[in-house]
Amino acid sequence: DIVMTQSPDSLSVSLGERAAINCKSSQSLLYTPNNKNYLAWYQQKPGQPPKLLIYWASTRESGVPDRFSGSGSGTDFTLTISSLQAEDVAVYYCQQYYSTPLTFGGGTKVEIK
Amino acid sequence: EVQLVESGGVVVQPGGSLRLSCAASGFTFDDYSMHWVRQAPGKGLEWVSLIYWDGRSTYYADSVKGRFTISRDNTRNSLYLQMNSLKTEDSAIYYCAREPSNIGYQYFHSWGQGTLVTVSS
Repeated sequence: DIVMTQSPDSLSVSLGERAAINCKSSQSLLYTPNNKNYLAWYQQKPGQPPKLLIYWASTRESGVPDRFSGSGSGTDFTLTISSLQAEDVAVYYCQQYYSTPLTFGGGTKVEIK
Repeated sequence: EVQLVESGGVVVQPGGSLRLSCAASGFTFDDYSMHWVRQAPGKGLEWVSLIYWDGRSTYYADSVKGRFTISRDNTRNSLYLQMNSLKTEDSAIYYCAREPSNIGYQYFHSWGQGTLVTVSS
C-alpha cells in the first residue's frame, strides 16, 4: 500500500499570508507513460464533505480560486494557498490514485493566526 | 447538477449488519465507477470500496474485505454498501463519491453529504 504523509498536522497563518502544506508518498506517483502524477488535494470544512481542489498534482478544479496551487512530482508534493482568506479555514487532504487501495494523507488543519 | 444522497446510517450493535444506499442523479450513472469513503468522528478520510461502472469489478480496503460488499443497480441509479460483522471501529460517516469521468481516474470529483453509522452496544 502507498502511505501518504502530510506535514504539518496544523498550520496557523495570518490573513493574506502564504500557507504551504506538504504531502509525501511512500512510492512515486508519477506514471511515466503519460507523465502524470496521480495525486489530488481536497478541502474539508466543518460539517461538510470534502471538496476537490487539485488533481494531477497541479491542475486546479473548475471554480477553485487561483490562490490555490499544487506542485511537486514523484514522491513530494505541496499545496500552496498564496494569500490566505478567512474562508480557507479547513482541513486539507492529499490522496493518491496511482493504485488501490486508494490512500489519503492524515490531513492538515489550517487556521487563522 | 450532480447529486449523491446517502441513506441507511443508524446505530447498530457490534456484530450486526447494515445496508447503506446512495441515490445518484444529475448524470449518467452507469458511465461512472463509484466509491465509498468513510471518516471516523474527528479523524481523517479512509477509502472503503470501489465498483466499476458495470458492477463487474469491485475492490476493498483490507479493513473491510470479507465483511462489506459494494453493489450497484444501474436501473435505479443507486449504489449500495452491505456491511456485515460490524465492529466499533466501523463507526464513521460514510460518503459515496463519484470519479471525475468515465475514463477511470480514481480521484473524487463529487461527494454526497454522508450518512452516519454508529456501532455501539
